[in-house]
Amino acid sequence: QKEVEQNSGPLSVPEGAIASLNCTYSDRGSQSFFWYRQYSGKSPELIMFIYSNGDKEDGRFTAQLNKASQYVSLLIRDSQPSDSATYLCAVDNNAGNMLTFGGGTRLMVKP
Amino acid sequence: ETGVTQSPTHLIKTRGQQVTLRCSSQSGHNTVSWYQQALGQGPQFIFQYYREEENGRGNFPPRFSGLQFPNYSSELNVNALELDDSALYLCASSRDRNMVGYTFGSGTRLTVV
Repeated sequence: QKEVEQNSGPLSVPEGAIASLNCTYSDRGSQSFFWYRQYSGKSPELIMFIYSNGDKEDGRFTAQLNKASQYVSLLIRDSQPSDSATYLCAVDNNAGNMLTFGGGTRLMVKP
Repeated sequence: ETGVTQSPTHLIKTRGQQVTLRCSSQSGHNTVSWYQQALGQGPQFIFQYYREEENGRGNFPPRFSGLQFPNYSSELNVNALELDDSALYLCASSRDRNMVGYTFGSGTRLTVV
């Protein structure tokens, strides 16, 4: 059973701080890694994807990938109350036709 | 604003009944994937359709079936509903199986009583 693990949280950070979200995966054949944000009662929204080892930055968001350790992380700088949501980590399979999601980490940014 | 529309938004069914959920993809999106998201959990892959053919299936029983039509719409059918089928059902469309281009619909909340 291919698995993606996340700490369910909640992760509470003060406004303006850096939020660090982590994810581990079991399938060494995975090539693509995604972070989705999901507000309560809404559908997931893609915020970052990463293919290569290292860091990828987009605005306040940085995704980090370490394939040797099977570890993906998401850093959110200057966290805002509007960042409060559940963050889902997802990885693809060898066939490239499905995503396996983690259970999500609930982030709370306190003003 | 998502270009993927799902209907209905909410649905209540009785155990043992059958249900059909619908998804209308963006024009040109020839790939549709369906996911089930139970409360407090991440989405689970049900199956994918590409150019009207099933292109992968997750660990769901045969009573979950689907169709994709030439007009980019698709259906998820569930027979013999069970209480555990209560969940948010999401469809995601993309072009040519590109998962980066996934656009999720707003989902259908199914409650089985």
